[in-house]
Amino acid sequence: GQQLNQSPQSMFIQEGEDVSMNCTSSSIFNTWLWYKQDPGEGPVLLIALYKAGELTSNGRLTAQFGITRKDSFLNISASIPSDVGIYFCAGPMDSNYQLIWGAGTKLIIKP
Amino acid sequence: NAGVTQTPKFRILKIGQSMTLQCTQDMNHNYMYWYRQDPGMGLKLIYYSVGAGITDKGEVPNGYNVSRSTTEDFPLRLELAAPSQTSVYFCASSQYRGHTDTQYFGPGTRLTVL
Repeated sequence: GQQLNQSPQSMFIQEGEDVSMNCTSSSIFNTWLWYKQDPGEGPVLLIALYKAGELTSNGRLTAQFGITRKDSFLNISASIPSDVGIYFCAGPMDSNYQLIWGAGTKLIIKP
Repeated sequence: NAGVTQTPKFRILKIGQSMTLQCTQDMNHNYMYWYRQDPGMGLKLIYYSVGAGITDKGEVPNGYNVSRSTTEDFPLRLELAAPSQTSVYFCASSQYRGHTDTQYFGPGTRLTVL
């Protein structure tokens, strides 16, 4: 079945560092979504990508839709403490267009 | 607007007990979803609804039931609780299909089955 693989699983970073994470699929996706989950909360949509090669920014966050349509990347520049949380990628299932989700990348800022 | 609200926030059940997780949205959204999130895993879709009176199974529907009698409410029923249903449950809603529209999530219900 369709699967999304996210890496890394977790990241320990210093405040001010840039962060990169990615998501890969075993099949082609027509949409890539990036959500963030703060501790104890539900996920919130950060960026949506609908076209291969598309590069979209939301403040310090930039996401790219890979040209193979099997991957997507999320970058965070100059990380700050409120960036901690879990970042999920998601994309539509072939069968019913509902979302399947990666396992997430947990971002932890070193004190 | 309250957005998506879920009750209860926490619950402990004994094996074999039943319960209903409540979900209400005040955004007049057509689509509603129930997900479960296990530790270290992504969200898994249990059931979804495209409008009042219409529901369909997601990836992991076994052991659950849903109904959608109104646009606002989408309760999730667990009939015979099992330890494998220990998880955090999220309800979400969107105006259009979730891959083309933002899904808005509730704060979650943390369920433990002992």
